[in-house]
Amino acid sequence: DAKTTQPNSMESNEEEPVHLPCNHSTISGTDYIHWYRQLPSQGPEYVIHGLTSNVNNRMASLAIAEDRKSSTLILHRATLRDAAVYYCILRLLPQGGSEKLVFGKGTKLTVNP
Amino acid sequence: NAGVTQTPKFQVLKTGQSMTLQCAQDMNHNSMYWYRQDPGMGLRLIYYSASEGTTDKGEVPNGYNVSRLNKREFSLRLESAAPSQTSVYFCASSDWGGNQPQHFGDGTRLSIL
Repeated sequence: DAKTTQPNSMESNEEEPVHLPCNHSTISGTDYIHWYRQLPSQGPEYVIHGLTSNVNNRMASLAIAEDRKSSTLILHRATLRDAAVYYCILRLLPQGGSEKLVFGKGTKLTVNP
Repeated sequence: NAGVTQTPKFQVLKTGQSMTLQCAQDMNHNSMYWYRQDPGMGLRLIYYSASEGTTDKGEVPNGYNVSRLNKREFSLRLESAAPSQTSVYFCASSDWGGNQPQHFGDGTRLSIL
């Protein structure tokens, strides 16, 4: 599985936008970029994924660089509930069978009131 | 909205004891997974089941066995627990193929003395 690099930690203030970066310089053409987050004492939670185009959903936006070697998860207005560890994961387009996630250490986001 | 349910939530074992962790999902998903998470680390895949009747090893399968009892249930067994297996264990499920997100339970916190 291709490798991703994320900062260990980031801080934000409540109600401000947050941009969480991820580098994936060895990404291949068929790798999807997935983001999960893990709140304290909970299992990971799916946030968003994309291939080439920017994506939006109710939780966040995903901005993907034109060369696909990096991406940014955007939380438009951080809340205290967004304090979590955010994982950026590359997943191959499956040829069949189930898909395995390979987690790194992620970015720990602290949101200040 | 049960999703993925894991039992028990907490357990303390002595070295050499055996234990089965239970996982059930109510989303009619084909694929199920077991991960472990050690302090400060991302999740690592132990075993997975692409569909009912099949199981495959993940990244760290040694010391564990699994059973896909039916489509809903996927159990993880420690035959002879060791202190190195102290961890938080997460079960997940997903639809088959097409970059479907994985849905996680809240974990079982297992301590082995």
